[in-house]
Amino acid sequence: EGVLTQSPDTLPLSPGERATLSCRASQSITNRNLAWYQKKPGQAPRLLIYAASSRATGIPDRFSGSGSDTDFTLTISRLEPEDFAVYYCQQYGTSPFFGGGTKVEIK
Amino acid sequence: QLQLQESGPGLVKPSETLSLTCTVSGDSFSGSNYYWAWVRQPPGKGLEWIGDIFYTGSTYYSPSLKSRVTISVDTSKDQFSLRLSSVTAADTAVYYCARKMSTSYFSPWGHWGPGTLVTVSS
Repeated sequence: EGVLTQSPDTLPLSPGERATLSCRASQSITNRNLAWYQKKPGQAPRLLIYAASSRATGIPDRFSGSGSDTDFTLTISRLEPEDFAVYYCQQYGTSPFFGGGTKVEIK
Repeated sequence: QLQLQESGPGLVKPSETLSLTCTVSGDSFSGSNYYWAWVRQPPGKGLEWIGDIFYTGSTYYSPSLKSRVTISVDTSKDQFSLRLSSVTAADTAVYYCARKMSTSYFSPWGHWGPGTLVTVSS
């Protein structure tokens, strides 16, 4: 089983700013089977991005994903107040696993 | 609209077996060709996959939990269940049930229950 390393651990930003979150895999991810989730306290995870760059149903276009092989990025173009949360990347291959998360907090 | 709801005891004693059920509504469970999952999040920590089950009963478990986990399905009740044996305080977590976004196994989880907190304590 590989490892997904997310950076930074915490990202202090202001509303309206751009957020860039990184997810690095210890092994190449087959078929770009990489997803991003948003997690808020007391709520279930919310799927944002799948196949590295495809937005899930109902996800605003300010969220975008990119990358391949071992390096992936989630970008939030302009932070809205509701976007402050923890974001997890996930490899959904044979034995799925998550990264440790990046907390986007209000600066 | 698909809805998932976890249910079960909120408190389990150490060394005992944790049992949870996920009830599915708003969509056909049997014959739907989807994979269903259990995922957990310990307090202050990240997300951890526990295992998946296909509606036919085929299962896939996390290697780190495989020796203690059983996931089963009851299509007549539109439910699937989790049993985790020999629990310790490290198994204290919010437990989520979820469904894959598509019918492919290689698909992320697009639908989730609200989660249920299970505390392991004497």
